[in-house]
Formats: sequence, C-alpha cells, structure tokens
Amino acid sequence: EPEVTQTPSHQVTQMGQEVILRCVPISNHLYFYWYRQILGQKVEFLVSFYNNEISEKSEIFDDQFSVERPDGSNFTLKIRSTKLEDSAMYFCASSPGQGGVRLFFGSGTQLSVL
Amino acid sequence: AQSVTQPDIHITVSEGASLELRCNYSYGATPYLFWYVQSPGQGLQLLLKYFSGDTLVQGIKGFEAEFKRSQSSFNLRKPSVHWSDAAEYFCAVAPSGNTGKLIFGQGTTLQVKP
Repeated sequence: EPEVTQTPSHQVTQMGQEVILRCVPISNHLYFYWYRQILGQKVEFLVSFYNNEISEKSEIFDDQFSVERPDGSNFTLKIRSTKLEDSAMYFCASSPGQGGVRLFFGSGTQLSVL
Repeated sequence: AQSVTQPDIHITVSEGASLELRCNYSYGATPYLFWYVQSPGQGLQLLLKYFSGDTLVQGIKGFEAEFKRSQSSFNLRKPSVHWSDAAEYFCAVAPSGNTGKLIFGQGTTLQVKP
C-alpha cells in the first residue's frame, strides 16, 4: 500500500529557531493535512491544503506556522520561531479527495523544543 | 462544540478474549465516524469508518464498530484479540461533507496479555 513519508522522525531544536517538517504525500492525492499531538493530549487538526492554498486552519495555526508544497511532491510545515509548547508529534496526512475519502497518515515527526 | 470521548485510557485483555473500546461523540448532526489504530513507530491507520446506512460496519483486521445514534456512541469490537492488536486506538469524527478535519478522542491504549 502506498505510504505518506515524513522526515525526520525526530527533530530537536532550540527555542526561537525555525524548523521545517517535511512530508511526501501519496503521489496522486490532492488534499494535504497537518495534525499534531502534544504528549498526553489529543491529536489536533492544524491545517488543510488543496490546490496550492490553505482550505482550512485551526486556531492553533497562527502566524508562526506556514505550509507549502514547493515542488509538487513535498508538503512542508514551517514553524518560524519555535516555542517550548510547540513540542509535539506532528503528523502529515493526504487524501485523494474530500467527502468520504480516507486520510492516509504518516508515522509522524517528534519535535522537541529545548 | 464537537467533541469525542474515549472513557478508557488503558485497557488490558487476554489474548483470545473479546474486546470493546468505547467512543462517545457530541455533535448536532450525524457525523462521519472513524476508528484509527497506531502501532509504535507507525502512522495512524484507518480501521473502519461510518458515513451512513448499516449501523454495523466491518473493518480491517477483524474489527467492527456499531453506530448507535440514541447513545451517541461508536464502539469498536473484536471477538478474539491477538497479541498483535496491542496498540493505541483513536476514535474520530468529522463534520459531514468534510472528512479532512477530524476531531480525535484521547485514545485508548490496548495491552494484550499472553
């Protein structure tokens, strides 16, 4: 079965630094998502992306966050100036369409902000 | 506000025993409902989903779930658990017509005793 690939699996950064989390969605998928899970808390929706623009974002997804599909295969999440509270597992997901189509999740990037 | 509750944080069952994981949701209309499983180091894998129709849905790995509108529940069941079923299980809901933005429950960790 095709997979969503996320790199790196673990990332450690200093507070205030910029980080970019990378994802390679399944090749024929059209919708892309980022979720995160802070340790001990629920998996939370961050943002959805379609046709090269954000289609929906949560309250968490403030100006510190941005997403990009730079080259037609990668999908990235950038955090401009990381905070301690950004430490979490970040999941990328993709789907071929909306309206009843399943999401395929990657195995996540564990981000630790020191 | 929409929410999902998984009352059991941790469940231990013996191999071969039956399993039921509980999920309750709070949502005005009938939502789209999902169960995902996450094994260590893996992404979230879709077990099954309910959109409409027959309230008993079959999924992969021998799992099934029953939607009960009167109880706002979508409990996951398996008649005979295997050691490989040890994992974390997440119930999720999505507003009808948009299955990209999922609202997840807290998750239930399943331990299987030999």
